[in-house]
Amino acid sequence: RKEVEQDPGPFNVPEGATVAFNCTYSNSASQSFFWYRQDCRKEPKLLMSVYSSGNEDGRFTAQLNRASQYISLLIRDSKLSDSATYLCVVNQASGGYNKLIFGAGTRLAVHP
Amino acid sequence: EAQVTQNPRYLITVTGKKLTVTCSQNMNHEYMSWYRQDPGLGLRQIYYSMNVEVTDKGDVPEGYKVSRKEKRNFPLILESPSPNQTSLYFCASSLGTPLSSYNEQFFGPGTRLTVL
Repeated sequence: RKEVEQDPGPFNVPEGATVAFNCTYSNSASQSFFWYRQDCRKEPKLLMSVYSSGNEDGRFTAQLNRASQYISLLIRDSKLSDSATYLCVVNQASGGYNKLIFGAGTRLAVHP
Repeated sequence: EAQVTQNPRYLITVTGKKLTVTCSQNMNHEYMSWYRQDPGLGLRQIYYSMNVEVTDKGDVPEGYKVSRKEKRNFPLILESPSPNQTSLYFCASSLGTPLSSYNEQFFGPGTRLTVL
């Protein structure tokens, strides 16, 4: 089983739609969670951290369910510019060192 | 402008010909890391460095070497490249271990390597 699993998509949605991505992680001891955005052929960039109580940044809402070990990202009122791959990232303690584990990403295509 | 730079951006080479991919950051970050990204897989960490002269293996270190002689530079060395090292490589840096948005990890633009 992969340590971080995401539906690869693509999710094809019209402008203005609401879309949600889920991500599951295997290590119950993970403490830090993030969503990164990666445009085609570009580097990943931090979109937002995910906090236990859930958090919102404009049209983006991230939620964490520790009991079920999944993280979600909700995008409201989708824009063409939201088209990208969204990477779920989780920390994992290994040999006294914390490292980040990246999911393979979920691709979003917003069309007019 | 705060940034992470990598060179070259694109490279096609042949099996066994040693190569170096340079990485440099101008943000005085202590932590630097190399990842490779392959289709259907998440970014996988190759090596990381927590400070000058401190480097350690990530998840997929075989066939790679790194050095950290200066804080700003973290080159990735392939002594004898093989076709299975064909991939998209990213260098990244952060103030400290990137476990919070305070220690946000900044990525370079990527190096697309093809080994024939």
